[in-house]
Amino acid sequence: EPEVTQTPSHQVTQMGQEVILRCVPISNHLYFYWYRQILGQKVEFLVSFYNNEISEKSEIFDDQFSVERPDGSNFTLKIRSTKLEDSAMYFCASKRQGNEQFFGPGTRLTVL
Amino acid sequence: SQELEQSPQSLIVQEGKNLTINCTSSKTLYGLYWYKQKYGEGLIFLMMLQKGGEEKSHEKITAKLDEKKQQSSLHITASQPSHAGIYLCGPTYGGSQGNLIFGKGTKLSVKP
Repeated sequence: EPEVTQTPSHQVTQMGQEVILRCVPISNHLYFYWYRQILGQKVEFLVSFYNNEISEKSEIFDDQFSVERPDGSNFTLKIRSTKLEDSAMYFCASKRQGNEQFFGPGTRLTVL
Repeated sequence: SQELEQSPQSLIVQEGKNLTINCTSSKTLYGLYWYKQKYGEGLIFLMMLQKGGEEKSHEKITAKLDEKKQQSSLHITASQPSHAGIYLCGPTYGGSQGNLIFGKGTKLSVKP
């Protein structure tokens, strides 16, 4: 059964460093999403992406964040200059039109 | 005030018992998704409800959407330890690209 994959599973970085979180959505999906979950808190929407552009973003998704679909399979989230409060689980999700979102297993980002 | 309220926040039941989790929105619902999350893992899709009054079942889990009351309930019959986890409801609202706004979730523990 096809699934969303994410790499790495755990990323440790120093404050101020750039990180890129990678996702491979399910191959025939058209809509892509990033969510994050700070430890012990709720899953929060960051950004949605469709037709090679951002379709919606939350207040959390500021200028330090960017997304890209560099090729036909990968979907990346970049954080330019990480802050301590960026430490969280980051989930990628994808879906086809009108259907449910399938979530990846997440990348745990730890900013020291 | 919160857009989305789930109740109860946590629940401990004896194996074999039935239970109900509720999700109430302060905004008009256009659809609602139920997901389950195990600690430190991704979200697993359970059910999608799109019409008022719609009820869906999968194995021992039944979910219902009452759009007039702007709420949904998830009912588990004869709970098992495998049902343990965090149950999240994620409504979709009109005008969005399907991005999910999750509640804080209901943490379910099932005692053998």
